[in-house]
Amino acid sequence: GAVVSQHPSRVICKSGTSVKIECRSLDFQATTMFWYRQFPKKSLMLMATSNEGSKATYEQGVEKDKFLINHASLTLSTLTVTSAHPEDSSFYICSARVGEKLFFGSGTQLSVL
Amino acid sequence: GENVEQHPSTLSVQEGDSAVIKCTYSDSASNYFPWYKQELGKRPQLIIDIRSNVGEKKDQRIAVTLNKTAKHFSLHITETQPEDSAVYFCAPTGGYQKVTFGTGTKLQVIP
Repeated sequence: GAVVSQHPSRVICKSGTSVKIECRSLDFQATTMFWYRQFPKKSLMLMATSNEGSKATYEQGVEKDKFLINHASLTLSTLTVTSAHPEDSSFYICSARVGEKLFFGSGTQLSVL
Repeated sequence: GENVEQHPSTLSVQEGDSAVIKCTYSDSASNYFPWYKQELGKRPQLIIDIRSNVGEKKDQRIAVTLNKTAKHFSLHITETQPEDSAVYFCAPTGGYQKVTFGTGTKLQVIP
């Protein structure tokens, strides 16, 4: 099956710093990558859809200047949380769609102090 | 957009009993209906899926049934085991490019 590698798995940072999360498709080309955010005991909430070579499509209520998404190649999509604050602490997970199926990264637990 | 709801939100069963989780969706263009199992801090894992031209699919202790007319599909787990304890999500797909997950169901299997 398709493999999506996500790094880092866990990051702790100070308030005001920026954090970059990478997702790579290892054995296939991902033209579309979804970025989700998940709070404890909650569902996966779609933040944005990233398409290779074009601007990401953000969901309503998600600040595009706060959560920068770049999909510069068919195998790499990145999410940068800029000027992180404690309320940005969450589990972030990417997913690539291959046909009708979703293949997930392993997730990144972000803790902002 | 798609409205996807799951019921119940929590479910506790005795080991060996059956569990049923229902997913209701709004997008009539949905044509692929997967169920995912997510353990704490882990990525969701696809456990079973069904397409709109099929009404039921079974894989050992797990089954999925689809009622496309009523826009709902259900996950059935028989002979539950403690390792089935997790959060389960549905994610009906089709129509829109993006995939919306259901509200989630926390299943607890009591030994």
